[in-house]
Amino acid sequence: GAVVSQHPSWVICKSGTSVKIECRSLDFQATTMFWYRQFPKQSLMLMATSNEGSKATYEQGVEKDKFLINHASLTLSTLTVTSAHPEDSSFYICSARDTRYRADKPQHFGDGTRLSIL
Amino acid sequence: GESVGLHLPTLSVQEGDNSIINCAYSNSASDYFIWYKQESGKGPQFIIDIRSNMDKRQGQRVTVLLNKTVKHLSLQIAATQPGDSAVYFCATVPGAQKLVFGQGTRLTINP
Repeated sequence: GAVVSQHPSWVICKSGTSVKIECRSLDFQATTMFWYRQFPKQSLMLMATSNEGSKATYEQGVEKDKFLINHASLTLSTLTVTSAHPEDSSFYICSARDTRYRADKPQHFGDGTRLSIL
Repeated sequence: GESVGLHLPTLSVQEGDNSIINCAYSNSASDYFIWYKQESGKGPQFIIDIRSNMDKRQGQRVTVLLNKTVKHLSLQIAATQPGDSAVYFCATVPGAQKLVFGQGTRLTINP
């Protein structure tokens, strides 16, 4: 089945550090990938839609200069949390949609990255 | 705008019993619905989906029911097992690219 790999799975760093999270589709190509944030006991909230070869589309209230997204290939999208602060601590999850399928096909999710900012 | 919600935040069932998890949605234009299972510390895992031209779909031990009249979706899990313990989310793609998640129901299995 379709596999999405996310790395790292857990990161702890000091306030002010920038952290990069990778999302890879391992056995399919993904023109579109999605980045979500999930706080404890809450649902997933879409942060941005990552489009291969073009700029990401950010949801309202998400700072594009703080959450930099790069989707340089059909199998890799990265999310960089710049100058991270404790309030950025969260569970970040990516998903990818197989390029061959329409929007009404399920996305495949990575296993998330737990980000803890001290 | 679209909203997807769940009736109950937690559900506790006896092992072997059937579980029913409910979900309401507001956008009548929604035509595709998905149930995801999320175990602790992991990403959502696809369980089953249904399109608006159907009112029932069955998988292995799971059934999804869709009532478009009252904009209600349910997930039934037969013979619940300890491994079914997780948070279950309904989600929809309301005519666009983006997936909208409900708030989630935590299913706990009692031995």
